[in-house]
Amino acid sequence: EIVLTQSPGTLSLSPGERATLSCRASQSVSSYLAWYQQKPGQAPRLLIYGASIRATGTGIPARFSGSGSGTDFALTISRLEPEDFAVYYCQQYGDSPLTFGGGTKVEIK
Amino acid sequence: QVQLQESGPGLLKPSETLSLTCSVSGYSISSGYHWGWIRQPPGKGLEWIGSISRSGSTYYNPSLQSRVAISVGTSKNQFSLWVSSVTAADTAMYYCARQGVAVAGRGEFDYWGQGNLVIVSS
Repeated sequence: EIVLTQSPGTLSLSPGERATLSCRASQSVSSYLAWYQQKPGQAPRLLIYGASIRATGTGIPARFSGSGSGTDFALTISRLEPEDFAVYYCQQYGDSPLTFGGGTKVEIK
Repeated sequence: QVQLQESGPGLLKPSETLSLTCSVSGYSISSGYHWGWIRQPPGKGLEWIGSISRSGSTYYNPSLQSRVAISVGTSKNQFSLWVSSVTAADTAMYYCARQGVAVAGRGEFDYWGQGNLVIVSS
């Protein structure tokens, strides 16, 4: 099974700052990687798929971007808005079983 | 607008069988995509349980495969999950979701239900 390691575990930033979240896979997943945002009491929300394609059906703002391929991936939030403070998960679908990372919490500094 | 809604019991006793149904609106299951189940224990991360294609092909997480079954009920635009012999370790929020098909059985989850909390306790 492919293990996804997310870092850091917690990111403390202020609104307006840039956030960079990392996801590393234990073996190559090509570009088969997605990012999700989850707020307390809510279901996860798809942000990025195919490593860098912004999801359109759910109105994802342009300040969210994804990059990477193979084993190293990043999610960047260019300027944090108050509604962006949440937990972020990566998910790989390069191989079965589908697996998720342990999450990065982005909290207000 | 695609919407999914889980339904089922919230409390089970150890050794019972968990049964959940996901009702889909705004998109016909028979039109395409895969349809999956994901769970999240309280305060923890996400775990993929399994998925089913519109034709009924199933894909399961090996960690649960011996206890899990997923089926589609296209006449009602629903799909269902069964997990047998539950224990406290199966306590979690259970989500259904629509899954893209990058490769057969594998893809991202673009629309999610709100979740159904299942607690296993004697």
